[in-house]
Amino acid sequence: NAGVTQTPKFQVLKTGQSMTLQCAQDMNHEYMSWYRQDPGMGLRLIHYSVGAGITDQGEVPNGYNVSRSTTEDFPLRLLSAAPSQTSVYFCASRELAGVGEQYFGPGTRLTVT
Amino acid sequence: AQTVTQSQPEMSVQEAETVTLSCTYDTSESDYYLFWYKQPPSRQMILVIRQEAYKQQNATENRFSVNFQKAAKSFSLKISDSQLGDAAMYFCAFRPSGGGADGLTFGKGTHLIIQP
Repeated sequence: NAGVTQTPKFQVLKTGQSMTLQCAQDMNHEYMSWYRQDPGMGLRLIHYSVGAGITDQGEVPNGYNVSRSTTEDFPLRLLSAAPSQTSVYFCASRELAGVGEQYFGPGTRLTVT
Repeated sequence: AQTVTQSQPEMSVQEAETVTLSCTYDTSESDYYLFWYKQPPSRQMILVIRQEAYKQQNATENRFSVNFQKAAKSFSLKISDSQLGDAAMYFCAFRPSGGGADGLTFGKGTHLIIQP
């Protein structure tokens, strides 16, 4: 099992550029989510999905788009990057019900100049 | 909405000693889950311990244990026999148990330093 994988590990963008952060899991988890972590802060929820074809907004969704066409993949799109989106991004997955452990990917450090 | 507060931005402990990290939360939910995550410099998020609110017994995992006080909305983490490898950021997190669609709400973290 690879668990949760994320690509790329590092990325530098210019203001206004768009890009997609990739996330995949091989544990057949229904629930997947994206978080961002800023200095001095805990992780904050951007978007989540409870299954293929179903997505919803979290605490800080503005400027981000997601889709879930398969159980395994949950990409995060930055439509027009802004310096305020400089952050570390984590993808996570877990079983939908119960106190199941949330598995995190290794994170993507994104810098927007 | 719920909030999670970690009032200690940084803690320092001698190797082999015991340290307690504090966490309080605010919620109107009656049933929920609480977690402690460890984030070493590699930035990987690692689950340390979890507690289901309906369980009165405090969770333990080897050298890690919690003191869960539901009425006080307090969930502290005790690390016994501290080791150099315990040095990391520690995050307390909350998730309601109903429905399954909720994400985790995190505190701002406590930076734990282990003095050799």
